[in-house]
Amino acid sequence: GNSVTQMEGPVTLSEEAFLTINCTYTATGYPSLFWYVQYPGEGLQLLLKATKADDKGSNKGFEATYRKETTSFHLEKGSVQVSDSAVYFCALSPTGGGNKLTFGTGTQLKVEL
Amino acid sequence: GAVVSQHPSRVICKSGTSVKIECRSLDFQATTMFWYRQFPKQSLMLMATSNEGSKATYEQGVEKDKFLINHASLTLSTLTVTSAHPEDSSFYICSAALTGELTDTQYFGPGTRLTVL
Repeated sequence: GNSVTQMEGPVTLSEEAFLTINCTYTATGYPSLFWYVQYPGEGLQLLLKATKADDKGSNKGFEATYRKETTSFHLEKGSVQVSDSAVYFCALSPTGGGNKLTFGTGTQLKVEL
Repeated sequence: GAVVSQHPSRVICKSGTSVKIECRSLDFQATTMFWYRQFPKQSLMLMATSNEGSKATYEQGVEKDKFLINHASLTLSTLTVTSAHPEDSSFYICSAALTGELTDTQYFGPGTRLTVL
């Protein structure tokens, strides 16, 4: 079956530090890949997505590249801010899967001054 | 665009009562809506997929008679937790997929915190 594996958190960084949150997946075919962000007490917001190999999703300074050869979709940001503190979920939707999402367990990011 | 709302945002109820949670797509039509449950510090667990005008499809292990889902229109789906018990306390999140959307994007509501006493 499909699965998504994320690095365990919490990840604690100082403001302006470089961020990487690793995500790897297991799926057949060519799934679509997503990063969602969840701020405290809120639902999930789509951060970025990529629908085919070598695509790069980007938004708000965050980037992730769909790597089919390593089955990865690592999230990166060059300079984090305190306001980026949240839980980040990697997810996939299978090929022709009718929007059904499989989520990773989430990685909590804490950014300190 | 693509805003999804949920109501209520928080609800506290007594054990044995039923609670209804509404999920609305505010500025688009959603053929398909999804209901998730999230336990503290854990990921989202898909409970069911709701299609407008038809019966919901429940994931394995989810009791359909306990979690009643109705998707009566293209902008509204409801989840009713019947005879709620403390173990049903959780964060319930809905999402909606755009009708005719070619990609697989879901838009999520802000969630409903249910506490059963």
